[in-house]
Amino acid sequence: EAGVVQSPRYKIIEKKQPVAFWCNPISGHNTLYWYRQNLGQGPELLIRYENEEAVDDSQLPKDRFSAERLKGVDSTLKIQPAELGDSAVYLCASSLEGLIRQGDNNEQFFGPGTRLTVL
Amino acid sequence: GEDVEQSLFLSVREGDSSVINCTYTDSSSTYLYWYKQEPGAGLQLLTYIFSNMDMKQDQRLTVLLNKKDKHLSLRIADTQTGDSAIYFCAEKPGGSYIPTFGRGTSLIVHP
Repeated sequence: EAGVVQSPRYKIIEKKQPVAFWCNPISGHNTLYWYRQNLGQGPELLIRYENEEAVDDSQLPKDRFSAERLKGVDSTLKIQPAELGDSAVYLCASSLEGLIRQGDNNEQFFGPGTRLTVL
Repeated sequence: GEDVEQSLFLSVREGDSSVINCTYTDSSSTYLYWYKQEPGAGLQLLTYIFSNMDMKQDQRLTVLLNKKDKHLSLRIADTQTGDSAIYFCAEKPGGSYIPTFGRGTSLIVHP
């Protein structure tokens, strides 16, 4: 079974340029997550989708970041314009279902990430 | 709030055991996780423990949970060079979808 697929794997851009990342979750996974991982840190959630609906985007800097998940499958994350501080690894993850019951593990599967460098 | 703390580095000799430690703050945490991240890769779930357990063993991996001290450890027996990676501890409070990650412990295995 294919895992979470992300592209591109690496991206180098100049500040003020736009950039987009793409994620294809594991087939059948309803929940999709975008995380940002700064150097030397753990991942931090940017946005979570249940099917095509963004249900948690409180950590997404909405002035420059946007995301969409058309048809509840693939997702794109966009930054426009990029700033120097946006340099990080952007990780996509998916899980089978979002419905939380007490005791649910709801394991997340991570993609390899896109390493963004803003010059 | 939630806070997960880990030491940043651990160096061991090949064949020895590695013990990576983690402390967390949220007493309502239901799941505690250990993830492995190799260079240029995403996070791979190694193992997890439910908060009503004290220990979980899975092949070379042993997880110990001390709920009183909010301390979690991961022991890797017979550590190999392929175990060199960054190991993240994470907690997921009850009713939350999202785990909170520590900063990661970089494990270096030398011959």
